[in-house]
Amino acid sequence: QSVLTQPPSASGTPGQRVTISCSGSSSNIGSNTVNWYQQLPGTAPKLLIHNNNQRPSGVPDRFSGSKSGTSASLAISGLQSEDETDYYCAAWDDSLNGRVFGTGTKVTVL
Amino acid sequence: EVQLVESGGGQVKPGGSLRLSCAASGFTFSSYSMNWVRQAPGKGLEWVSSISSSSSYIYYADSVKGRFSISRDNAKNSMYLQMNSLRAEDTAVYYCARDRIRMDVWGQGTTVTVSS
Repeated sequence: QSVLTQPPSASGTPGQRVTISCSGSSSNIGSNTVNWYQQLPGTAPKLLIHNNNQRPSGVPDRFSGSKSGTSASLAISGLQSEDETDYYCAAWDDSLNGRVFGTGTKVTVL
Repeated sequence: EVQLVESGGGQVKPGGSLRLSCAASGFTFSSYSMNWVRQAPGKGLEWVSSISSSSSYIYYADSVKGRFSISRDNAKNSMYLQMNSLRAEDTAVYYCARDRIRMDVWGQGTTVTVSS
């Protein structure tokens, strides 16, 4: 089961800013870095943000991440049609001794 | 090119076994921890197991502990997942992923279906 909680959906019109939250606890987000993954239909997840707010090479700067306490957020600025897909947060959990994923958020571009 | 390729998926009856493989290329495999992550049909991502670069540290999700076994062969640039006592709820696409604090390279996945 997912330990990190995300809203099931988020939406916006092209050009808008959309924010996705990820709520955890002291044993995961509170004490470890957060990564974000984008998953297009039928494909493997792609690393979008690592170490809370770092973008891998090739990821547009429209994507940004932040972390505060036991929560993290992914923001998509200047929303584009190709951003319509699923997003997951993830972190290591010290209590479970394993990685945990968020419940996932489907972003819709209206 | 950095690449991970999974194989070994298929259909198996409940209680049966399967061995998944993950072949790595384009990077120094022995320098990275590796993971198995699965995704049931229409569901989210679920971490399954991790193995450190030298196999010193191995971790499992509670849902597979005692049934699945992860291993690797650095000489063959490969990682494995032995899955025993399979259940219907193990039906999923299984991905292998490279790990150095974050899972930055993923394979395309292999499908496991547990059904009678």
